[in-house]
Amino acid sequence: GAGVSQSPSNKVTEKGKDVELRCDPISGHTALYWYRQRLGQGLEFLIYFQGNSAPDKSGLPSDRFSAERTGESVSTLTIQRTQQEDSAVYLCASRYTTGNSPLHFGNGTRLTVT
Amino acid sequence: AQTVTQSQPEMSVQEAETVTLSCTYDTSENNYYLFWYKQPPSRQMILVIRQEAYKQQNATENRFSVNFQKAAKSFSLKISDSQLGDTAMYFCAFLGGNEKLTFGTGTRLTIIP
Repeated sequence: GAGVSQSPSNKVTEKGKDVELRCDPISGHTALYWYRQRLGQGLEFLIYFQGNSAPDKSGLPSDRFSAERTGESVSTLTIQRTQQEDSAVYLCASRYTTGNSPLHFGNGTRLTVT
Repeated sequence: AQTVTQSQPEMSVQEAETVTLSCTYDTSENNYYLFWYKQPPSRQMILVIRQEAYKQQNATENRFSVNFQKAAKSFSLKISDSQLGDTAMYFCAFLGGNEKLTFGTGTRLTIIP
């Protein structure tokens, strides 16, 4: 079956521009996560959506970052006025919220801010 | 807040040998889940193995097994008969009641032919 799909796979943008990253979760997965991975580093939690509940935004690094998700469908992560330190791979994951159900990850979007 | 520590930034081992990657975590919760993920150069995160904290028996998936020591808050991964395709970054992760998966900083494993 289809996995988590992210687009674009790569994005190069100029400093100061806005970017929008998209994530299509696995159908039926109620939970959706965004993580950031800087080069050679671990995964940094950004935001978590669970069904129609208010999202957990505790990992968003600044007010330039925002994310939306409608119901249990597509999510978009928006970064406004991009800075060079925003350069990273942005990974999306989804899962059933039952027991030990693991996160299923997309291939990520590599963002480069020049 | 939970923390996950992987103290080995890099490891290498000869093909066919056994290697153990260490992971420790800190939590006040009693019920939680632990995972090992593999990230090859393709950057795809692949689930290797999972463990429920309430289970005493260590999880096993083919050549991969864990040594889960709940009291010590330790969750190491053993790879037996290592293969070239095992070369990747390995991340230990903790999932608690807040439903957020917290990752360690990873161990870069290289299998030498």
